[in-house]
Amino acid sequence: QSVLTQPPSLSGAPGQRITISCSGSSSNIGAGNHVSWYQQLPGTAPKLIMFGYNRRSPGVPDRFSGSWSGTSASLAITGLQAEDEADYYCQTHDNRLGGTIFGEGTKVTVL
Amino acid sequence: QVHVVQSGSELKQPGASVRVSCKTSGYTFTDYYVHWVRQAPGQGPEWVGRVSPNSGGTNYAQKFQGRVTMTADTSTRTAYMELTGLTPDDTAVYYCGRPDCATSNCWTIEHWGQGSLVTVSS
Repeated sequence: QSVLTQPPSLSGAPGQRITISCSGSSSNIGAGNHVSWYQQLPGTAPKLIMFGYNRRSPGVPDRFSGSWSGTSASLAITGLQAEDEADYYCQTHDNRLGGTIFGEGTKVTVL
Repeated sequence: QVHVVQSGSELKQPGASVRVSCKTSGYTFTDYYVHWVRQAPGQGPEWVGRVSPNSGGTNYAQKFQGRVTMTADTSTRTAYMELTGLTPDDTAVYYCGRPDCATSNCWTIEHWGQGSLVTVSS
């Protein structure tokens, strides 16, 4: 069981805004460790979309943005598009475990 | 351009071992750790560990300590992960990847291999 908690699923109509939360603890997000976000399409490897302090990977549209407060982080997608339908995972380093951890994942459906 | 290419699918019996390879190109191999992550069917990614091709040093997730060995061959720019004592719970796609930066505190995986499916079944 992951130590980063995400909602299992979210949905929205095209053009809407959705926000994916990632809840951690004082040993990971709360310790100031960077949170990264990955998008995964079926049958493919995860793709890095956000990292560092709200930095987007090359080619990722500015509809995607990240934020962080306390022991939680969020990924917002504005102007939702059909191509955004995928699984999304947060990731960060955990000081207590000594390695990196991933969230449980959120399946985004575009209605 | 960075490329990461992994070995193919494997079918193993319970109790066996598996070795997955990860061939890289497009960057200085010894500058970056190589991470290994696995993803069981319908589950999220799970970090297995990492290896430094420069020093050979490794860090493993506690769950895999004693069962996993990660190595790197600088002559062929290839990293390897061996997992022993396989059980059906080890059935997963195993990915290798290169982080976004070159220090020991870099945990974001920027470049991923295509994945290697390991199936454990009798």
